[in-house]
This record gives sequence, structure tokens and C-alpha cells, in this order.
Amino acid sequence: KQEVTQIPAALSVPEGENLVLNCSFTDSAIYNLQWFRQDPGKGLTSLLLIQSSQREQTSGRLNASLDKSSGRSTLYIAASQPGDSATYLCAVYGGSQGNLIFGKGTKLSVKP
Amino acid sequence: DTGVSQNPRHKITKRGQNVTFRCDPISEHNRLYWYRQTLGQGPEFLTYFQNEAQLEKSRLLSDRFSAERPKGSFSTLEIQRTEQGDSAMYLCASSLGQGATEAFFGQGTRLTVV
Repeated sequence: KQEVTQIPAALSVPEGENLVLNCSFTDSAIYNLQWFRQDPGKGLTSLLLIQSSQREQTSGRLNASLDKSSGRSTLYIAASQPGDSATYLCAVYGGSQGNLIFGKGTKLSVKP
Repeated sequence: DTGVSQNPRHKITKRGQNVTFRCDPISEHNRLYWYRQTLGQGPEFLTYFQNEAQLEKSRLLSDRFSAERPKGSFSTLEIQRTEQGDSAMYLCASSLGQGATEAFFGQGTRLTVV
């Protein structure tokens, strides 16, 4: 059974700092991996999708990497801003259904 | 069409009542998913449709839950005889194509059972 773990559960950093969020999964037979952002009481916003054949994907200040063999992904946020404060969720596509399996998220707080 | 739309955004109901939620996916997206999220947890898969066919249901989807997607467009999720444990955020997502393509989520429906 696929399980997704995100570490740390919460992170507080000063504005301007570069940071890394970690995601690990137990079954390396994934189709792809998707990172989301969730603001309090809101739905999920897709940030990046990494295909299983890719090693990394970039969008603006965000860079996500994928290492299937070790069952890990990282989300790198450069020059963090208070507006980046949110919960970041990692999810993998696995199995025949094509549904996402989520971690519990990392709650990020960027202090001005 | 700017994204996945869910209605209502909030629903408060008394225990034992029935509730129905609606999801309008992004136009032409053939896949539609329902997830449930409780506080401090990641979303959990409930069920998904490819066009009008419901292809998979999670064990989380008890007999009191039913989902439909008539004509492969919008979808409804009904919960009968609600229980306090049903209180959660219900999220809908849609995607285009076969298999593991990028999923786009709606704003969710927050259900509170009192």
C-alpha cells in the first residue's frame, strides 16, 4: 500500500530565505508526482507536476525534484515571501485508478 | 470557464439529514474525482468517474454515500443520514486524458454535521 510522508509537518522561516520541503513515498512504482498549495479553508492549487520519467520541474521560484528509486521528492522555494505561507501537499499517482495519494502536508509560515 | 466549481461552499446540517453537493469540472475534462479532507490530514480518495462511468470507489465510501455524473458533465455527491463523523471538506478534482494527468481542484464544500 502506497504511503506518502511529508517532513517537516510545520516550518517557520524569515522572509527571503530559501527552503526545502520533503516528500517520501513507499512504493517507487508511481506514474507521476504533483505538488499543491492549500490556503486555510480553501481548495488545492496545483504547483508542479513531475512525470515519472522526469527528474525535476521548475515554475518561477519553485523547483521540484523527483528520485523514484529512493522514493523521494523535494520542493525548493527560493527567496521566500510572506505570501508563500500556506500548507504544501505532495501527492503521487499510483495504482490502476489514477487517483492521488496525499501526504499530510507541510505548513509553511514565512515571517516578514 | 475558469476552473472546477463546487457548490455550496459551506453546509451545516443536523445529524440524520441528507445532503447533496455539486461539482462542475473544467470543460472537456473527462475524469472527475471526489476526495474528503479532515483537519490536519491530506485529502483521501473517495471515488472517480471517467466520463459518466464510475470506475472506482474507495472503502471510505460507505453505503450512505452515492455519487453520480450524468452525461459525463457535472457530478453530485449525496450523503444520506449524515453522522458527525461526516464533517469534513469535500473536494472535487478534474483532469483531462487517460491515467495520471494533472489534476485541478475546486474550492471544496465544507460540511458540518451538528
